[in-house]
Amino acid sequence: RKEVEQDPGPFNVPEGATVAFNCTYSNSASQSFFWYRQDCRKEPKLLMSVYSSGNEDGRFTAQLNRASQYISLLIRDSKLSDSATYLCVVNMGNAGGTSYGKLTFGQGTILTVHP
Amino acid sequence: DADVTQTPRNRITKTGKRIMLECSQTKGHDRMYWYRQDPGLGLRLIYYSFDVKDINKGEISDGYSVSRQAQAKFSLSLESAIPNQTALYFCATSDLPGDTDTQYFGPGTRLTVL
Repeated sequence: RKEVEQDPGPFNVPEGATVAFNCTYSNSASQSFFWYRQDCRKEPKLLMSVYSSGNEDGRFTAQLNRASQYISLLIRDSKLSDSATYLCVVNMGNAGGTSYGKLTFGQGTILTVHP
Repeated sequence: DADVTQTPRNRITKTGKRIMLECSQTKGHDRMYWYRQDPGLGLRLIYYSFDVKDINKGEISDGYSVSRQAQAKFSLSLESAIPNQTALYFCATSDLPGDTDTQYFGPGTRLTVL
């Protein structure tokens, strides 16, 4: 089983649609969670961190369910500029419970928003 | 100017050649990382360094070596390149772990081994 698994898609949605991505992780000791965005042939960039209570940044909402080891990203009112690959990223932490600084990436979910 | 730079941006080489990919950063971060990205596999960690004297293997270090010449520089070497090392290589940096553990990536080096 992969440590971080995502549905690779692709997701093709019209402008204005709401789309949700899911991600599962295998290590229950994982410490912190993120969504990164990667445009075609570009480097990944942090989109948002994911907190236990859920968090929102404009049209983007991230949720974490530690019991189910599940992370989600919801994009509302999709824009053409949202077209990209979305990477689910997990910091596995260490036995002492402190943040370890080593990230594990999912394979990414491809989103295409069309007019 | 970019905070994390990589050279070269593109490289085509032949099997058996020695290749060095270089990464420099102006962010003042202690931690640096090398990843490779292959279609359908996501980013996989090759090596990481938490400071100049601390270098660690990642999940796919075989066939690679690294050198941390200074806080700002972290080089990746392929001693004898083989075709399955054809990939997109990214360098990244991060500060000490904090609330975000954000990693900042360079623009990538596209390496083709013939």
